[in-house]
Amino acid sequence: DAGVIQSPRHEVTEMGQEVTLRCKPISGHDYLFWYRQTMMRGLELLIYFNNNVPIDDSGMPEDRFSAKMPNASFSTLKIQPSEPRDSAVYFCASSFQTGGTHEQYFGPGTRLTVT
Amino acid sequence: GDSVTQMEGPVTLSEEAFLTINCTYTATGYPSLFWYVQYPGEGLQLLLKATKADDKGSNKGFEATYRKETTSFHLEKGSVQVSDSAVYFCALRNSGNTPLVFGKGTRLSVIA
Repeated sequence: DAGVIQSPRHEVTEMGQEVTLRCKPISGHDYLFWYRQTMMRGLELLIYFNNNVPIDDSGMPEDRFSAKMPNASFSTLKIQPSEPRDSAVYFCASSFQTGGTHEQYFGPGTRLTVT
Repeated sequence: GDSVTQMEGPVTLSEEAFLTINCTYTATGYPSLFWYVQYPGEGLQLLLKATKADDKGSNKGFEATYRKETTSFHLEKGSVQVSDSAVYFCALRNSGNTPLVFGKGTRLSVIA
């Protein structure tokens, strides 16, 4: 398997623009997680899905952030409008937890810079 | 709520030195404990894990023992290499399908 795939790897955008980050989890995994990593706040869980259904979005910082998982092989994290403080590395992770080992597999991340 | 506390970094060691990165946790119940490693420019990878008290997880020369009495899961390696330079994250999961709770990470730099 190719592992968790994220795109783009790097995104530079201007304040106010819409940003969409994409994630393809490992085939067969039933959980998907979105994290944000910054120097100041470390690794933060934003939202996670089970079988494409959002379970907990309490980590989403504000209404400018939204996430969807239309099917088992694709998820998006959207920021609209973007702000400089959204600059961070965003990770997607997936796991097989229903009767599985619960190990989370991380993608390589998307480095977002908002100017 | 559940939490993980790691020693502050960065940690700088010479090659072949002994490594300890401290990790303590606060959780109800009996969590599973993990160490993840993040190499430069990459996502996190599972390094080792332990699912019950007194279990020892080990991988690539790294070890950590689940100590319930001290609520700790310290990471150790007897002889570090330059290639071990990375950020190390301690994490816990309290029950079946809950997400991982991560510590803030400890950056390790190993110099030749």
